[in-house]
Amino acid sequence: QAVLTQPASLSASPGASASLTCTLRSGINVGTYRIYWYQQKPGSPPQYLLRYKSDSDKQQGSGVPSRFSGSKDASANAGILLISGLQSEDEADYYCVIWHSSAWVFGGGTKLTVL
Amino acid sequence: QITLKESGPTLVKPTQTLTLTCTFSGFSLSTSGVGVGWIRQPPGKAPEWLALIYWNDDKPYSPSLRSRLTITKDTSKNQVVLTMTNMDPVDTATYYCIHNLHPTAGDDAFDIWGQGTMVTVSS
Repeated sequence: QAVLTQPASLSASPGASASLTCTLRSGINVGTYRIYWYQQKPGSPPQYLLRYKSDSDKQQGSGVPSRFSGSKDASANAGILLISGLQSEDEADYYCVIWHSSAWVFGGGTKLTVL
Repeated sequence: QITLKESGPTLVKPTQTLTLTCTFSGFSLSTSGVGVGWIRQPPGKAPEWLALIYWNDDKPYSPSLRSRLTITKDTSKNQVVLTMTNMDPVDTATYYCIHNLHPTAGDDAFDIWGQGTMVTVSS
């Protein structure tokens, strides 16, 4: 079982909100991890969006709009990237990352379609 | 302004050693807390972290690739070099150089990425 699992795809309408989940493998407690989120558009490298561990331990990437925010769902053992007020330019691949067992681990990514 | 640029061969043969160079500007690897690393991304797949090197020469490696990787720095040239031995077609990917801060120094995200260099492994 992968350390981080993300849904392969998600669709949402312009102006709506989208919740992208990053589920940690059973036995790995989401509460103890900083979760980092990256956005990647075709032909470009990933770009850092934000990190979230708790409301007192979070950081927005430089220049990243506040409509991108992080949270956690402890009951689902998952990190969440919430994008509000979806715009067409938000259509991209999104990756979550954690530092686990002395290694940076990427999730498989979610392709967000805005239509 | 921080920039990073990758350079190296675009094509390598199976079993050969890959050597990639990251040339950066806008910061110094002799500054406390600063790190530079490598991440690769096979076509159509998720990125995979490979290695980091910090100002103090600390060098975390991907556990699954540790035996094949070596990362070094030349502070005077503002360069970081990654070598990967015994290349295989599955190593075909875009290789990115990234800027990173040590967790004791601030936000330890991969905050700045190079544009990447595509490496194909084929005979």
